[in-house]
Amino acid sequence: KQEVTQIPAALSVPEGENLVLNCSFTDSAIYNLQWFRQDPGKGLTSLLLIQSSQREQTSGRLNASLDKSSGRSTLYIAASQPGDSATYLCAVKGSSNTGKLIFGQGTTLQVKP
Amino acid sequence: EAGVAQSPRYKIIEKRQSVAFWCNPISGHATLYWYQQILGQGPKLLIQFQNNGVVDDSQLPKDRFSAERLKGVDSTLKIQPAKLEDSAVYLCASSLERGSREQYFGPGTRLTVT
Repeated sequence: KQEVTQIPAALSVPEGENLVLNCSFTDSAIYNLQWFRQDPGKGLTSLLLIQSSQREQTSGRLNASLDKSSGRSTLYIAASQPGDSATYLCAVKGSSNTGKLIFGQGTTLQVKP
Repeated sequence: EAGVAQSPRYKIIEKRQSVAFWCNPISGHATLYWYQQILGQGPKLLIQFQNNGVVDDSQLPKDRFSAERLKGVDSTLKIQPAKLEDSAVYLCASSLERGSREQYFGPGTRLTVT
């Protein structure tokens, strides 16, 4: 059974700092891995999606990497801003494109001005 | 393009009462998902519809939870009777097809059971 774990559960950093969020999964047979952002009282917004054959994806100040063999992914946020404050969730999709998303518990990030 | 709509946004009920949530997916999206997100946890899939048929309801507590999508568009999720542990945010999402890359999430309904 696939399990997804995110460390740390919460993180507080000063504005401008670079930071890394971690995600690990127990079954390496995944179709893809996705990072989401969740703001209080709002739904989830997809940030980056990495297919199982890819190693990383980049969007603006965000970079996500995937190491399937070790069951790990990281989300790197460069030059953090107060507007980056949110909960970040990673989710893996099972071995086919119709598999369900299995989510980690999330990392709540606070960026202080 | 309008997003996924959900109502109500907040609901407080007493245990053993019943409650229903409504979801209107993005127009043209064939696949609809209901997730339960307990405080401090990630969302957990409860049920997935493809048009008006159920694809996956393996994690739906069927003794108290039910869901329908009669015309393949709107969907309702019902809990009867509610328990304290049902307190959570219930998220609805939709995608163009089952294998679509993107799921689009609604704002959720926060349920508090007292």
